[in-house]
Amino acid sequence: DSGVTQTPKHLITATGQRVTLRCSPRSGDLSVYWYQQSLDQGLQFLIQYYNGEERAKGNILERFSAQQFPDLHSELNLSSLELGDSALYFCASSTGAGELFFGEGSRLTVL
Amino acid sequence: GQNIDQPTEMTATEGAIVQINCTYQTSGFNGLFWYQQHAGEAPTFLSYNVLDGLEEKGRFSSFLSRSKGYSYLLLKELQMKDSASYLCAVRVTGGGNKLTFGTGTQLKVEL
Repeated sequence: DSGVTQTPKHLITATGQRVTLRCSPRSGDLSVYWYQQSLDQGLQFLIQYYNGEERAKGNILERFSAQQFPDLHSELNLSSLELGDSALYFCASSTGAGELFFGEGSRLTVL
Repeated sequence: GQNIDQPTEMTATEGAIVQINCTYQTSGFNGLFWYQQHAGEAPTFLSYNVLDGLEEKGRFSSFLSRSKGYSYLLLKELQMKDSASYLCAVRVTGGGNKLTFGTGTQLKVEL
């Protein structure tokens, strides 16, 4: 158990819908990262927050947004969903310059 | 950006030793990480190198040559449970603390 909690574990929805994925980092970790993993691609970095502020941005679509709240939990919002958005979405946290600890992921299926 | 290459698949025998290579091209290199990921599960941290040389951690060792943009992960005394995907990831300066992952090497351990 990495200490990073993600909900929901599984989510099935339809094209055009909007979903929110939630992540609670390890106790004491200020940084939260979101990654997308689909079958034909590896782990793709989406976005990083540090203590509530956006720190780094990757190939995150405009339909996707994220935020980190004062209690350090983070949410990833995915809207106008398309079939190609079906993937495992991982959240990770770290104390700073150390390794990333990953949650169990949220598996999104768009039908 | 970063370019990270790993073999797609490898097969090895239980009890043997296997070496998984990773080459990378990046500017501002600031560390190389190895993660293990079983299918459908969270990536788990194995090792970290930022200086040239070998880091040993039980049955796992990782080597780094910064001048060659090269790393390998060495797994000794292979066990069936080592069958997994092994992900090489790099961190660069000025990129927050995010990691950029290769597509992973799927290792199959056979009897």
